[in-house]
Amino acid sequence: NAGVTQTPKFRILKIGQSMTLQCAQDMNHNYMYWYRQDPGMGLKLIYYSVGAGITDKGEVPNGYNVSRSTTEYFPLRLELAAPSQTSVYFCASSSTGASSGNTIYFGEGSWLTVV
Amino acid sequence: QKEVEQNSGPLSVPEGAIASLNCTYSDRVSQSFFWYRQYSGKSPELIMSIYSNGDKEDGRFTAQLNKASQYVSLLIRDSQPSDSATYLCVPSRGSGAGSYQLTFGKGTKLSVIP
Repeated sequence: NAGVTQTPKFRILKIGQSMTLQCAQDMNHNYMYWYRQDPGMGLKLIYYSVGAGITDKGEVPNGYNVSRSTTEYFPLRLELAAPSQTSVYFCASSSTGASSGNTIYFGEGSWLTVV
Repeated sequence: QKEVEQNSGPLSVPEGAIASLNCTYSDRVSQSFFWYRQYSGKSPELIMSIYSNGDKEDGRFTAQLNKASQYVSLLIRDSQPSDSATYLCVPSRGSGAGSYQLTFGKGTKLSVIP
């Protein structure tokens, strides 16, 4: 019963490095999301996707890129990492839009530190 | 005015007491809400949703929506230390533009004291 799987769980990056956070879901959900959560703050939406091949920006997309070539996978790419990107990243999915009442399923999070 | 206002706490209640978590909202948000719970270091999880005026009960949890006064609350009866977490009042955005985006604020941190 995997649900939403994120890797890696922890990562330390140096300033200027790039990396990809992986996200996979096995529930055949059309909708997928990437959020970040800074210490003591709420979640902020980075990017979302309503289906394979369709992505759109959320509230804080700068410094990130996404792709959605299949229903299952929704990787988040960080280009030229900056200390401001130190955060916890959550991938999530839902069968319909987030506001429709269906549950959003979250991954366990990826802790990223940029030094 | 923010769309949703929620006291960040911490709210401390003794074990066995009723914990009352409240939020108020502006006219700009849809009048349906979700309550999420987030344990420290964990991802949020949906515990209740409420779409219509009045009360909705689920076990020890009761969600209340008062559209006239524009507030929504979550009551936790017989509070347990395991209820210690941050509770997020999240407005639905209905359908249409922006409906895919939920806004997760900082929430209210609840601490249940044994």
